Amino acid sequence: NAGVTQTPKFQVLKTGQSMTLQCAQDMNHEYMSWYRQDPGMGLRLIHYSVGAGITDQGEVPNGYNVSRSTTEDFPLRLLSAAPSQTSVYFCASSYSIRGGRGMNTEAFFGQGTRLTVV
Amino acid sequence: AQRVTQPEKLLSVFKGAPVELKCNYSYSGSPELFWYVQYSRQRLQLLLRHISRESIKGFTADLNKGETSFHLKKPFAQEEDSAMYYCALSGNNQGGKLIFGQGTELSVKP
Repeated sequence: NAGVTQTPKFQVLKTGQSMTLQCAQDMNHEYMSWYRQDPGMGLRLIHYSVGAGITDQGEVPNGYNVSRSTTEDFPLRLLSAAPSQTSVYFCASSYSIRGGRGMNTEAFFGQGTRLTVV
Repeated sequence: AQRVTQPEKLLSVFKGAPVELKCNYSYSGSPELFWYVQYSRQRLQLLLRHISRESIKGFTADLNKGETSFHLKKPFAQEEDSAMYYCALSGNNQGGKLIFGQGTELSVKP
């Protein structure tokens, strides 16, 4: 059981380039989220999804796009990379115990993508 | 506003000493509180949920709604406890969203 898989693990981009961080989960979880981890700031929510076809913004959505065409995949797109987007990115999935938007369970995280924008 | 505060960036203790990692939160409804841990070069993983009221690896955490706190405690720290600890909050009907604190790095010295 692979859990949550993120690719790539490392990436260096030039300012202005675009790229997509991939995230896939094989646990049939309804919820998926993207976070960025910066020193002294913890993890901040970028975008999240409560199911296929449904996405919403988190705390720091600017400069990022997401889509959720399937339950399994939740890619994060950087439209025009900036040095401020240098960070470690984590994808996570979880589900609700009672279905719908009820009580949340444990979130499972990917191994992270370390992105440097120069 | 939803907020989680972990006041200590770094907590350094000796092996066998008690440990308390502080977490305070701000939330208007009924929150779900979690502690996640990230060991060196590993992914984040769940340590505790307040609703489970269990002890994992000797750690416990009690939700105090009056003080809006969810401090993580362990009576005798071990070297293998050295890691980054994050307190996180989720509201009911929030679709899996987690609000994290800034994190506390625990260093247990031999």
